[in-house]
Amino acid sequence: GQNIDQPTEMTATEGAIVQINCTYQTSGFNGLFWYQQHAGEAPTFLSYNVLDGLEEKGRFSSFLSRSKGYSYLLLKELQMKDSASYLCAVTDSNYQLIWGAGTKLIIKP
Amino acid sequence: IAGITQAPTSQILAAGRRMTLRCTQDMRHNAMYWYRQDLGLGLRLIHYSNTAGTTGKGEVPDGYSVSRANTDDFPLTLASAVPSQTSVYFCASSDKRQGADTQYFGPGTRLTVL
Repeated sequence: GQNIDQPTEMTATEGAIVQINCTYQTSGFNGLFWYQQHAGEAPTFLSYNVLDGLEEKGRFSSFLSRSKGYSYLLLKELQMKDSASYLCAVTDSNYQLIWGAGTKLIIKP
Repeated sequence: IAGITQAPTSQILAAGRRMTLRCTQDMRHNAMYWYRQDLGLGLRLIHYSNTAGTTGKGEVPDGYSVSRANTDDFPLTLASAVPSQTSVYFCASSDKRQGADTQYFGPGTRLTVL
């Protein structure tokens, strides 16, 4: 079967760095997405990785290792507004998105 | 309109009633999707449409139907609502002609079936 695993919840301190991991087992791979979802709102696109390596976008970076079926989202200089759920999703061989259940990130002052 | 709109924002519905959730996008995206999101389960695909005039079943299609008469609109119908269909419903769209196929989401409809 197809499976995406992420931690259910993480806590971090304002100003710090946090890494949210995602491991996947899917039938084929055509890219990995990270989305941010604030409580009561829609998911919004953060990043896309299709090749191995690190993609940096401001305070957020996303890493992919296709051989290990692994990705992480790195958030630097955490702000209170970063409190949200972070969703990992993989495009499979049929170009359908398979979604993880999301990681709820709690930022403490 | 900019992006994707959904209506209604929220609805309380009696079991057995018929309900249509509306979704409209103005980005001329060819693909559209309906998801439901339940606590702890993440987003689950109900139905999708890769282009106007075609639809397909997702992971959890039972009890739901869709149509795609044109590019912009993708309504989701619950023929006879049941309490297990209580959920938050998100519509999304993407331009499958572009490589990354990033999906953009509407604001969601919170549906409660009693």
